Amino acid sequence: AQSVTQPDIHITVSEGASLELRCNYSYGATPYLFWYVQSPGQGLQLLLKYFSGDTLVQGIKGFEAEFKRSQSSFNLRKPSVHWSDAAEYFCAVGAVEGGKLIFGQGTELSVKP
Amino acid sequence: NAGVTQTPKFQVLKTGQSMTLQCAQDMNHNSMYWYRQDPGMGLRLIYYSASEGTTDKGEVPNGYNVSRLNKREFSLRLESAAPSQTSVYFCASSEARAERGPQHFGDGTRLSIL
Repeated sequence: AQSVTQPDIHITVSEGASLELRCNYSYGATPYLFWYVQSPGQGLQLLLKYFSGDTLVQGIKGFEAEFKRSQSSFNLRKPSVHWSDAAEYFCAVGAVEGGKLIFGQGTELSVKP
Repeated sequence: NAGVTQTPKFQVLKTGQSMTLQCAQDMNHNSMYWYRQDPGMGLRLIYYSASEGTTDKGEVPNGYNVSRLNKREFSLRLESAAPSQTSVYFCASSEARAERGPQHFGDGTRLSIL
């Protein structure tokens, strides 16, 4: 069965520091992989997605993620965090058979001035 | 652009009452979704609709029904609300096939059932 694990419930980084949010998945075939961001009181916004091809994916707001099949990971990175990046981040894996994405539990990001 | 619009934004119900959550998108998307979000559990798919006239169950469909009224609108109905259905409900849509995931989310309906 599909599953997604985000090992870090909460991360705090200093503004200007680099960021890496971890995501590990379990799925039998090549998965569709997604990262979403949610600001307080709002819906989710799609940051980036991986379906096939180049394993380094560029997204919006300066984020990127790398698909590593050997490690079953799809970690999200940003070289320099801004205070406005404080939010909750969700990784998700999709199955070929329909829109049944499985979401991770989320990682809450706090940014120190 | 409005994107995905959900109504109402907040609602309090008593156990056993019924209600319908409304969702409309103005992007001409084929696929629409209903999710619920509970603390520490991420989002879980309730139902989705790959195209007008079709619906399919997601991970947690029990206690809910849906209607894809037309291409724009996808409603979620609770026939007899239970406290376990207290949650934040999100509607979403996507242009591509449903397996490629939702692109745009509404701002949510915060539902409390007493």
